[in-house]
Amino acid sequence: AQTVTQSQPEMSVQEAETVTLSCTYDTSENNYYLFWYKQPPSRQMILVIRQEAYKQQNATENRFSVNFQKAAKSFSLKISDSQLGDTAMYFCAFMKGTYKYIFGTGTRLKVLA
Amino acid sequence: EAQVTQNPRYLITVTGKKLTVTCSQNMNHEYMSWYRQDPGLGLRQIYYSMNVEVTDKGDVPEGYKVSRKEKRNFPLILESPSPNQTSLYFCASSFLTGTYNEQFFGPGTRLTVL
Repeated sequence: AQTVTQSQPEMSVQEAETVTLSCTYDTSENNYYLFWYKQPPSRQMILVIRQEAYKQQNATENRFSVNFQKAAKSFSLKISDSQLGDTAMYFCAFMKGTYKYIFGTGTRLKVLA
Repeated sequence: EAQVTQNPRYLITVTGKKLTVTCSQNMNHEYMSWYRQDPGLGLRQIYYSMNVEVTDKGDVPEGYKVSRKEKRNFPLILESPSPNQTSLYFCASSFLTGTYNEQFFGPGTRLTVL
């Protein structure tokens, strides 16, 4: 069975600094998708970034980028120039072709002024 | 406005009293899904549906039922709620065509079972 592990329950970072959130997963599949979702205090789930496993190039969305290591089954999220609005819970998620999703337990990120 | 709506947003009920949480989307999405979120456990998928009359179990389907009679609606039914079903519930939807399509989430339903 697929699993997703986020080993950092809580993290903090100073405004304008860079922070990296870790995620590892376990699967025997070769084709799958990985995601990072943001959940601010409003509880709304917001897609931050996604990565297709067949793509070697790491995905980037403005200040957010991933380091995808397929062999190591690692999918970390880097947030550059952190802003107060980045304060949220971040979830890593895995999806295979059957559209079954597995989420990690989340990392609570606090950006400090 | 394209959106996923859930009702009610908050519900307090008692053990054994049947309830339904509605989910509706106006984006003509084929795929819909229900999740529950619990502290320390993240989101766990309850059921999902690839199209009308097509549903499948996620990781935690016990104690829940779903139906997909119309493309836009995907209600979650708790026939006999128990306190361990106290949770935050999310509905989500997306297209199926293409390489991948983003899931859009509803605002969540906070359920308390006493």
